[in-house]
Amino acid sequence: GQQLNQSPQSMFIQEGEDVSMNCTSSSIFNTWLWYKQDPGEGPVLLIALYKAGELTSNGRLTAQFGITRKDSFLNISASIPSDVGIYFCAGATSGGSNYKLTFGKGTLLTVNP
Amino acid sequence: DGGITQSPKYLFRKEGQNVTLSCEQNLNHDAMYWYRQDPGQGLRLIYYSQIVNDFQKGDIAEGYSVSREKKESFPLTVTSAQKNPTAFYLCASSMGGGNYGYTFGSGTRLTVV
Repeated sequence: GQQLNQSPQSMFIQEGEDVSMNCTSSSIFNTWLWYKQDPGEGPVLLIALYKAGELTSNGRLTAQFGITRKDSFLNISASIPSDVGIYFCAGATSGGSNYKLTFGKGTLLTVNP
Repeated sequence: DGGITQSPKYLFRKEGQNVTLSCEQNLNHDAMYWYRQDPGQGLRLIYYSQIVNDFQKGDIAEGYSVSREKKESFPLTVTSAQKNPTAFYLCASSMGGGNYGYTFGSGTRLTVV
């Protein structure tokens, strides 16, 4: 089946630093999504991308849909302690398998105040 | 407010007992999903349902069962056949396919002793 390679697996940064993470796939996706999961809670949708090359921002978060449709990037600027959590990328295709998102394994972000 | 509710938040069971996890949504979403999350393993799909009275196995369905008798409800039973049931379980729903993203519940942490 389809797989997403998300990197890095974990990051430990100082408050105020910028963060970058990415997802790559051997398959093409029509939609890329980025989620954040706080400890002990369910993931929450941060950004949705629907067009190749699209760059979308949500506050200090910026995500891009790769031109090849096989990758996506998430950047967090000026990190703060509440940015701590697991960040997941997810991809969706069109057609009969569209009901199932493919998730990356997540990037665990720790922010040192 | 619309949302998706999982209950209980924490659940303890003795080995060999079946246990049912509840998932209810009032978002009028057609599709519902169950995921299992273990540390470092990301989200693994157990079962999903696109419509009432129909459901499909995900990647790790062995030892689990579901029903979808109502649009709003998608309970998951962890049976005694599941060899390693202790985990964090997440329910999600979506309007149509994955292109619009999933809305997740806050999870149930199941501990089997």
